[in-house]
Amino acid sequence: AQTVTQSQPEMSVQEAETVTLSCTYDTSESDYYLFWYKQPPSRQMILVIRQEAYKQQNATENRFSVNFQKAAKSFSLKISDSQLGDAAMYFCAKTGANNLFFGTGTRLTVIP
Amino acid sequence: SQTIHQWPATLVQPVGSPLSLECTVEGTSNPNLYWYRQAAGRGLQLLFYSVGIGQISSEVPQNLSASRPQDRQFILSSKKLLLSDSGFYLCAWSVDGTPAKNIQYFGAGTRLSVL
Repeated sequence: AQTVTQSQPEMSVQEAETVTLSCTYDTSESDYYLFWYKQPPSRQMILVIRQEAYKQQNATENRFSVNFQKAAKSFSLKISDSQLGDAAMYFCAKTGANNLFFGTGTRLTVIP
Repeated sequence: SQTIHQWPATLVQPVGSPLSLECTVEGTSNPNLYWYRQAAGRGLQLLFYSVGIGQISSEVPQNLSASRPQDRQFILSSKKLLLSDSGFYLCAWSVDGTPAKNIQYFGAGTRLSVL
């Protein structure tokens, strides 16, 4: 079975500082996609960043970047210059045959 | 641009009553459509997905069913709700093609409370 594990139920970061959220996954596939989604209090899932497994270069979107270690099956999210609006639940997800497999999420608190 | 609408935002229903949640997508054709449920403190679990009109695949056996009467309309239903059906339901879409390769975009969700 494919699983996505987020071992940090909660994290906190000072405003303007950097935080890294961890994610590991299990798969026998060689071609897949990985995502980080943000779920603010409004509950709508918002795509933060996407990584294609066949690409060695780590994806970057403004203040958000990933550290993708394919051999280790690790996909961490780094948020730089944290802002109050970054406070949310963050979910790591991996593509399956027909859907996404989600981790259980990490609740990020940003301290002013 | 593409948008996804999901309603109602909140719903309180008695046990044994029927359910109908609706999701529509605008600005694209023949999208893949998905229904997920999010239980408290957990990630999302796929309930149904559809790659075309009338084509529904169920991932989890349960008290729910889904239908796709039109290209960009996806409906989640139940004939008789159970207490265990309470949760947060999210609709999502992705572009036509292999579901495994496409970004999924989510609606705002429906909070269902069965009492």
